[in-house]
Amino acid sequence: AAGVIQSPRHLIKEKRETATLKCYPIPRHDTVYWYQQGPGQDPQFLISFYEKMQSDKGSIPDRFSAQQFSDYHSELNMSSLELGDSALYFCASSSVRQRRLYGYTFGSGTRLTVV
Amino acid sequence: AQSVTQLGSHVSVSEGALVLLRCNYSSSVPPYLFWYVQYPNQGLQLLLKYTTGATLVKGINGFEAEFKKSETSFHLTKPSAHMSDAAEYFCAVSDPNNNDMRFGAGTRLTVKP
Repeated sequence: AAGVIQSPRHLIKEKRETATLKCYPIPRHDTVYWYQQGPGQDPQFLISFYEKMQSDKGSIPDRFSAQQFSDYHSELNMSSLELGDSALYFCASSSVRQRRLYGYTFGSGTRLTVV
Repeated sequence: AQSVTQLGSHVSVSEGALVLLRCNYSSSVPPYLFWYVQYPNQGLQLLLKYTTGATLVKGINGFEAEFKKSETSFHLTKPSAHMSDAAEYFCAVSDPNNNDMRFGAGTRLTVKP
């Protein structure tokens, strides 16, 4: 079965650079969520999109932005990277209509290292 | 807004012993509740979920959890721990009407031989 695809799996950037993380949800899922998990931390909700519109916002820094495209894939853009941005970034997807039955499905994450 | 509290950041059990990981939630509406497992350097894998219906839910790898509304709890149990159960476990809650899910701080399970 198709899963949530995240790319790249690993990314190394220098301070003050920019990074773009991509997430491809499960087909027919209309909602995408982004989470940030620092070393030894629990996943922190960043932002979510439903039907290409931002639906909820969590602890996403102003240096970050995200969007969901017409094909439902989403990109998380991170600028002026700081050492503290080093983390595992998860994307999850769900279907509003089927969330009760199937919940949320997570991708394997993108590990961002800022040096 | 929803929130989750996981009691005990570290739990250690012997192989074959009962596993009990505690989760209490706060929600203004009937919640959806989830347990996820994370192995080192891997993503989050859904163990089980409660959305509606039977309050005792069974998941993968022999885990189960019971939704107790009166206690606002969703504790995770497994009758007999296996070495392969050693991992980080996250409880999560979501409002069925909102598009986000909030995680607890996680509980690291260690299984001793």
